[in-house]
Amino acid sequence: QKEVEQNSGPLSVPEGAIASLNCTYSDRGSQSFFWYRQYSGKSPELIMSIYSNGDKEDGRFTAQLNKASQYVSLLIRDSQPSDSATYLCAVESGGSYIPTFGRGTSLIVHP
Amino acid sequence: EAGVAQSPRYKIIEKRQSVAFWCNPISGHATLYWYQQILGQGPKLLIQFQNNGVVDDSQLPKDRFSAERLKGVDSTLKIQPAKLEDSAVYLCASRPSGRNTGELFFGEGSRLTVL
Repeated sequence: QKEVEQNSGPLSVPEGAIASLNCTYSDRGSQSFFWYRQYSGKSPELIMSIYSNGDKEDGRFTAQLNKASQYVSLLIRDSQPSDSATYLCAVESGGSYIPTFGRGTSLIVHP
Repeated sequence: EAGVAQSPRYKIIEKRQSVAFWCNPISGHATLYWYQQILGQGPKLLIQFQNNGVVDDSQLPKDRFSAERLKGVDSTLKIQPAKLEDSAVYLCASRPSGRNTGELFFGEGSRLTVL
């Protein structure tokens, strides 16, 4: 059973701070990693994807991947109240094209 | 470009009744997924189609759930008979064919309440 683990939170940070979201996965054959944002009552939307070890930056978002430690993280710089949402980590094994989702971490950015 | 369409958005039924959900993926997207998302949990895959063939239905409760994808386009997910624990949002998602295409495009979901 492929597992993706996330702390459910909530993670509360002040506006302007860095929010750090973490995810671990069980399948060493995993090759594709995604972070989705899900606002309450809405469907998930992709914010970052990462496929190789290291960091990938896109605006205020940085995804970090460490395959040896089976760990992927998302950093949100200069957090805004509009970033308040649930962040879902999704992991895909090579060739399966089936993302397995974690339970999500609830992020609250307070003014 | 039109997104993934799902209907109905909301459905309330009593246990042991049946329900069907419909999904129309983005035009040209060969891969279609149905996920179940229970409140407070992440989406859980029910079934994946590639064109009109089933790729993975290992987590689909086949005694009560069924799904089909007619002509490799629209898809229908049916539950019969429904149980209380089926209360969830049913998300349809699609993705173009190809390696590392990454993003799943989700519909707005169909929220089911079983009383």
